Amino acid sequence: DGGITQSPKYLFRKEGQNVTLSCEQNLNHDAMYWYRQDPGQGLRLIYYSQIVNDFQKGDIAEGYSVSREKKESFPLTVTSAQKNPTAFYLCASSIDWPGQIYGYTFGSGTRLTVV
Amino acid sequence: KQEVTQIPAALSVPEGENLVLNCSFTDSAIYNLQWFRQDPGKGLTSLLLIQSSQREQTSGRLNASLDKSSGRSTLYIAASQPGDSATYLCAVAVNQAGTALIFGKGTTLSVSS
Repeated sequence: DGGITQSPKYLFRKEGQNVTLSCEQNLNHDAMYWYRQDPGQGLRLIYYSQIVNDFQKGDIAEGYSVSREKKESFPLTVTSAQKNPTAFYLCASSIDWPGQIYGYTFGSGTRLTVV
Repeated sequence: KQEVTQIPAALSVPEGENLVLNCSFTDSAIYNLQWFRQDPGKGLTSLLLIQSSQREQTSGRLNASLDKSSGRSTLYIAASQPGDSATYLCAVAVNQAGTALIFGKGTTLSVSS
């Protein structure tokens, strides 16, 4: 079955540590996205990529970095510069940007906690 | 800047009741509107996608309508069941640099048996 796989499901980060969240899709979608979800704040866009080797900052990109070297993969690195990284992170994809034709498909999420 | 609002924030109903969830958006220049369901600690499941040229979409007991000119969408759930308990999110796709799907904060539904 086609879909989006996020790993790990749970991740713990120590102060000052960089961590990378994985997102892989086998839907042959061109566009991929990272959202952050906090209680009471809804989903906020971190980064998006319209096509391989290209990505754009979203509303809350500070303290995060991404790469898009392969169509199937869009990893998100949470750097030590992100002061409040504890949140639920969701990866999504769409055939085109901004999901005009068939909308978006989401992964199952990664819960990141600072310890 | 596009803003999406969902009312009510929470809703509790007895099993079997028909109910309506509301979503409003401030800018009618959208490509489409998508309704999602989210269970606690889980990802988002797409329920219905309405293109800007469409008025409604139906899937089983769910019916979503779109009035783009007034900036409103409703999600109608018929004969609610305890398994419908979840958070329902609406989101609009816009063509603006630096953005993608813009979400409301959701309506948390609880259906009691």
